[in-house]
Amino acid sequence: AQSVTQLGSHVSVSEGALVLLRCNYSSSVPPYLFWYVQYPNQGLQLLLKYTSAATLVKGINGFEAEFKKSETSFHLTKPSAHMSDAAEYFCAVSPNGNEKLTFGTGTRLTIIP
Amino acid sequence: EPEVTQTPSHQVTQMGQEVILRCVPISNHLYFYWYRQILGQKVEFLVSFYNNEISEKSEIFDDQFSVERPDGSNFTLKIRSTKLEDSAMYFCASNGWPGYEQYFGPGTRLTVT
Repeated sequence: AQSVTQLGSHVSVSEGALVLLRCNYSSSVPPYLFWYVQYPNQGLQLLLKYTSAATLVKGINGFEAEFKKSETSFHLTKPSAHMSDAAEYFCAVSPNGNEKLTFGTGTRLTIIP
Repeated sequence: EPEVTQTPSHQVTQMGQEVILRCVPISNHLYFYWYRQILGQKVEFLVSFYNNEISEKSEIFDDQFSVERPDGSNFTLKIRSTKLEDSAMYFCASNGWPGYEQYFGPGTRLTVT
């Protein structure tokens, strides 16, 4: 069985500050990990993915995440927050590329002007 | 850029009625999924579909639910007798080889009254 834990249901950062959203996973097999973003009243958009290649993954909109097997983590970061980054962020895990995604409970990111 | 589409965007129905939610996955994709998100909660897996049959389903996906790929383009989710607790946003997703990410549609908001 696989699971994902996202620490912090709400995170607030100032515009221009570092964004750090935490995700820890549990998996009995080498996982495929994903970060999705959901803007208000919209669907889920893929930010980035880890599929057993490079441990540092770069995604869209300046986001990146680092896979750390020893810490079972896949935290999402962005060096400088922008107002447009305000959204809900979901970490998800899959046993391979073509099986169900198990999502975390999400982190709502608020950007303070 | 190809995208997953869903219709309708919002469906209101009375308890006990049947509803069909429609999805058009990306045309060369082979794996199809339905997820739901109850307001304020995380995204939950319902069912996956490959090669014209269900490959996995969750405990949520009981006998009231069914999926079908009636032709080469549509993928439908039917709820036979809706309950109040079926009110949620329903997302369709698809992916194809060799990509690993699932592409999500914009969702159908189902409101059961």
